[in-house]
Amino acid sequence: AQTVTQSQPEMSVQEAETVTLSCTYDTSESDYYLFWYKQPPSRQMILVIRQEAYKQQNATENRFSVNFQKAAKSFSLKISDSQLGDAAMYFCAYRGYSGGGADGLTFGKGTHLIIQP
Amino acid sequence: ETGVTQTPRHLVMGMTNKKSLKCEQHLGHNAMYWYKQSAKKPLELMFVYSLEERVENNSVPSRFSPECPNSSHLFLHLHTLQPEDSALYLCASSQVVQGIEAFFGQGTRLTVV
Repeated sequence: AQTVTQSQPEMSVQEAETVTLSCTYDTSESDYYLFWYKQPPSRQMILVIRQEAYKQQNATENRFSVNFQKAAKSFSLKISDSQLGDAAMYFCAYRGYSGGGADGLTFGKGTHLIIQP
Repeated sequence: ETGVTQTPRHLVMGMTNKKSLKCEQHLGHNAMYWYKQSAKKPLELMFVYSLEERVENNSVPSRFSPECPNSSHLFLHLHTLQPEDSALYLCASSQVVQGIEAFFGQGTRLTVV
């Protein structure tokens, strides 16, 4: 079974600074997808970024980028120029390739990100 | 505005009650999911419906009963719950194509008293 580990229960960063959230995972599959979701106090889970394991290039979405290290099974999220609206719980998630989506997502426990004004 | 809508947003029920959670998606997806989010635990996948057929239930207790009448609607019927079932229940949908991410509703905060 796949597992996802987020070792930082809480992180704090000054507004406009850069912060990196860590995620490691365990799988025996060679093809899979990784995601970072954001959950603000509204409880809405919002996709931040996704990475296909077969792609060597790290995904980026505006101020959000990942450092995907397949051999190390590591998938960290970097948030540049942090903004107050980035404050939320951040979840790392895994989806296997073969299930076609029918196997759902495996989530980590989450990291609570605090933005200091 | 979310493409996945859950009702009610909050629910308090006694252990002998029967209630249902409703989820509706307006995204044209063909897979829907129920997740349970408890404090200090990872989100737990409860049920998957793909093309309106249940795919797995992950050993969820029978006091939780899902229903998927069509690809746009998903229900979670609740019966004789326990206090430890209090949690945030999230519905999600996706397209059954490799790699497509799931879109989530805002959840139902359930409290069992």
